[in-house]
Amino acid sequence: RKEVEQDPGPFNVPEGATVAFNCTYSNSASQSFFWYRQDCRKEPKLLMSVYSSGNEDGRFTAQLNRASQYISLLIRDSKLSDSATYLCVVNTFSGGYQKVTFGTGTKLQVIP
Amino acid sequence: GAVVSQHPSRVICKSGTSVKIECRSLDFQATTMFWYRQFPKQSLMLMATSNEGSKATYEQGVEKDKFLINHASLTLSTLTVTSAHPEDSSFYICSAQKGTGYNSPLHFGNGTRLTVT
Repeated sequence: RKEVEQDPGPFNVPEGATVAFNCTYSNSASQSFFWYRQDCRKEPKLLMSVYSSGNEDGRFTAQLNRASQYISLLIRDSKLSDSATYLCVVNTFSGGYQKVTFGTGTKLQVIP
Repeated sequence: GAVVSQHPSRVICKSGTSVKIECRSLDFQATTMFWYRQFPKQSLMLMATSNEGSKATYEQGVEKDKFLINHASLTLSTLTVTSAHPEDSSFYICSAQKGTGYNSPLHFGNGTRLTVT
C-alpha cells in the first residue's frame, strides 16, 4: 500500500460546482497534513494546513479523519482558476527524522 | 510569507557536464531543505534531505555521488548534478520548512527545469 494515496482524476466539473477530494495515508503516527496546489510546470504552493478540528478558508474546507486515516478537501463554487493539481502532503516524525510524503495529486479541471 | 528562491529556473547543458542548482531561503533560516524531482505528468519524488552542517540523507535509489548536495549555511543548499545525461532531464524543486515544529509547512522554490542534450 502506498504511504499516501490520491485519486489522480481528472475531475471535470462545471463552474459553480462543489467538488471534494480525499487522500488516504498509511502511517497512523503521521502528525501533520497539508493541501498544496500545483499548476502545470510550476512549483507546488501551499493551499492550507489541515487541522483535526477541520478548517475553512473561503471556498475551501479541509478535514482530517484520524480514525480512518484520510484527509479531505472540499471546494465550493468552483472557479475556472481552481483548475490545477491538488497535492496531499503528510508529515511524519520518527526517531528524530522528519519525512514529508506527497500524494500523486488529483487533477481538477473546471469547465465553463 | 516565507520565500524560497531557486536558481537557475531553466538550464540546458550537454551530456557529461555538471550543473549546480541553488536553493535559498530569503527571509528565514532553514536547517533542513528538501530536494525533489518531477518528471512530466508524474508526482514529486523526494531525492534527498539536506541538513545544514552535515551530510545529506538520500532516498533509496538516488545516487549520492551523482547528485551532490551541500548545505553550507542556514539559508543555502545546492544540488549538483554531476556528469549529466539525457535521462537526468527533469524538473528539480527544492523546499524548506520555516520553523521547526511538525506543523510547519514546506515552502517551495520555483523549480529548475534541466534539459540535457
